[in-house]
Amino acid sequence: DGGITQSPKYLFRKEGQNVTLSCEQNLNHDAMYWYRQDPGQGLRLIYYSQIVNDFQKGDIAEGYSVSREKKESFPLTVTSAQKNPTAFYLCASSITGQLNTEAFFGQGTRLTVV
Amino acid sequence: DQQVKQNSPSLSVQEGRISILNCDYTNSMFDYFLWYKKYPAEGPTFLISISSIKDKNEDGRFTVFLNKSAKHLSLHIVPSQPGDSAVYFCAASARAGTYKYIFGTGTRLKVLA
Repeated sequence: DGGITQSPKYLFRKEGQNVTLSCEQNLNHDAMYWYRQDPGQGLRLIYYSQIVNDFQKGDIAEGYSVSREKKESFPLTVTSAQKNPTAFYLCASSITGQLNTEAFFGQGTRLTVV
Repeated sequence: DQQVKQNSPSLSVQEGRISILNCDYTNSMFDYFLWYKKYPAEGPTFLISISSIKDKNEDGRFTVFLNKSAKHLSLHIVPSQPGDSAVYFCAASARAGTYKYIFGTGTRLKVLA
């Protein structure tokens, strides 16, 4: 089945450690996105990529890094510079080059930093 | 600066009645609008969308209305069912330039049996 997979579902890390969240899609979508959800703040865009080997900062990119070496994969690294890393992280993908298409989301990764 | 706003954090509706969820936006470049439904600890699922060339789009019990002059859209659910209880996010996109989606803060809908 085609879809977008995030792993792991739950992740615990000690403060000061970098951690990488995985996102893989087999939908042949060009664009991929990372969002963060916090209570009362909706979904805020961290980074997005419209094509392989290219990505752009979203609204809250500080303390995060990404790579897009393959079309299927868009891993997100939460670095020790991110001041409030505990959150629910959502990855999404969409088609580009067509009008009026929706983004498809993974099931999310809840990161807890202790 | 919040470009997409959902000013009602929560809404309670009796089963069988109409649920109306509202969304306002500030960026006049937005030309495609979407509604997503989200359950706790899950990813959002796409519900319905509308292009700026339309003012209404209907899919079963769900209808989205767009008022471009007011920069306002709404989602109507008729009749509301207990299974509709979830958080609803509206999102907007501007085709020109990028394909990123900007989300509102969400409205938690509770449908009472």
